[in-house]
Amino acid sequence: GQQVMQIPQYQHVQEGEDFTTYCNSSTTLSNIQWYKQRPGGHPVFLIQLVKSGEVKKQKRLTFQFGEAKKNSSLHITATQTTDVGTYFCAANNQAGTALIFGKGTTLSVSS
Amino acid sequence: NAGVTQTPKFQVLKTGQSMTLQCAQDMNHEYMSWYRQDPGMGLRLIHYSVGAGITDQGEVPNGYNVSRSTTEDFPLRLLSAAPSQTSVYFCASSYSSSGTGGYEQYFGPGTRLTVT
Repeated sequence: GQQVMQIPQYQHVQEGEDFTTYCNSSTTLSNIQWYKQRPGGHPVFLIQLVKSGEVKKQKRLTFQFGEAKKNSSLHITATQTTDVGTYFCAANNQAGTALIFGKGTTLSVSS
Repeated sequence: NAGVTQTPKFQVLKTGQSMTLQCAQDMNHEYMSWYRQDPGMGLRLIHYSVGAGITDQGEVPNGYNVSRSTTEDFPLRLLSAAPSQTSVYFCASSYSSSGTGGYEQYFGPGTRLTVT
């Protein structure tokens, strides 16, 4: 079935350092979504990418969708303690009827 | 709008007991789904529904039943609880699941279930 692999599983950074998480698929994706889950909370939608090579920015967050639409990345510039949480990528299954999540990357930030 | 609501927030069951986790949304969303979240495993899809009267299995459906009699409600039933079903359960909804673009999913606050 459809799978999206995320790396790394965990990342610890000092406040002010950059952070990147990667999402990879063996099949071409129709779209990719990114979610953030704060500790003890529920996942919250961040963004969706649809076009090959697409790049979107939200303040310090930069999202990319690969040219082949098989991979995506989320980059955070100058992390802050408010960035702590788990970041998930998600993609539609091949039938387009359900959203499948990667295992997530948990980010911790020390000040 | 209340968004997606889930009840109960916490539940402890004994092995073999049954229960229903409730999920409701007031956004007139077609698509609803149930996920379970376990440490290191991410969010795994249990069952989903693309509209009233239509349900399908996700990645880990065994031990769970669902039905969708109305657009608003999507309950998840555990028929005979097992310790392996100890997890956090999230219900989610979106306008639709179809199309190249997909749609943003709204998650409920979750139900923390412990089976002893």
